[in-house]
Amino acid sequence: GAVVSQHPSRVICKSGTSVKIECRSLDFQATTMFWYRQFPKKSLMLMATSNEGSKATYEQGVEKDKFLINHASLTLSTLTVTSAHPEDSSFYICSAREGSRVADTQYFGPGTRLTVL
Amino acid sequence: AQKITQTQPGMFVQEKEAVTLDCTYDTSDPSYGLFWYKQPSSGEMIFLIYQGSYDQQNATEGRYSLNFQKARKSANLVISASQLGDSAMYFCAMREGLSGNNRLAFGKGNQVVVIP
Repeated sequence: GAVVSQHPSRVICKSGTSVKIECRSLDFQATTMFWYRQFPKKSLMLMATSNEGSKATYEQGVEKDKFLINHASLTLSTLTVTSAHPEDSSFYICSAREGSRVADTQYFGPGTRLTVL
Repeated sequence: AQKITQTQPGMFVQEKEAVTLDCTYDTSDPSYGLFWYKQPSSGEMIFLIYQGSYDQQNATEGRYSLNFQKARKSANLVISASQLGDSAMYFCAMREGLSGNNRLAFGKGNQVVVIP
């Protein structure tokens, strides 16, 4: 149980285009999902907390107009990187809160590697 | 201030031996949770083990155990009987407060390479 999927796993796009990444909890409902960014050989950096049916809470320094987050249902959150630039190239990984277990743990998707040319 | 500290350099461990990964944390909140995740080269983050601040006993999950020393604010991960598939980055994380909505603060990770 507690499986999270992410799509696509890898995307290459041209500078100036927008890219949408989907995060789905497959076997549980997630009222809260999180979006992280990870640079090579670095730790995870939290970008935003996504709550179903309400606006996402962004971390300091993360542009909300550039990284649009939508959490339309209890099993789906999307991150759209708008007008992508090469500096947005990174590994994006989502997690979903599984609140029914004792640890109330975040389970992670497999990640999306974005390359902006 | 860094909330989670993982300072060990990359580690090589012989297959079938045990390895201990260090993690110290900093918080003034009496309620918190400590997590360990494994990240193989494929990139996925795999949840391994959890320790709550009020838990009296050290957490164990199969070959993983957590050496929780609350007074020292340390939460070391012990992997027993290492396997080649254990080669990965290991991240320690802390969540302050009891709510699962609260953010996780991650350490910088420990690289483990298991050699046959």
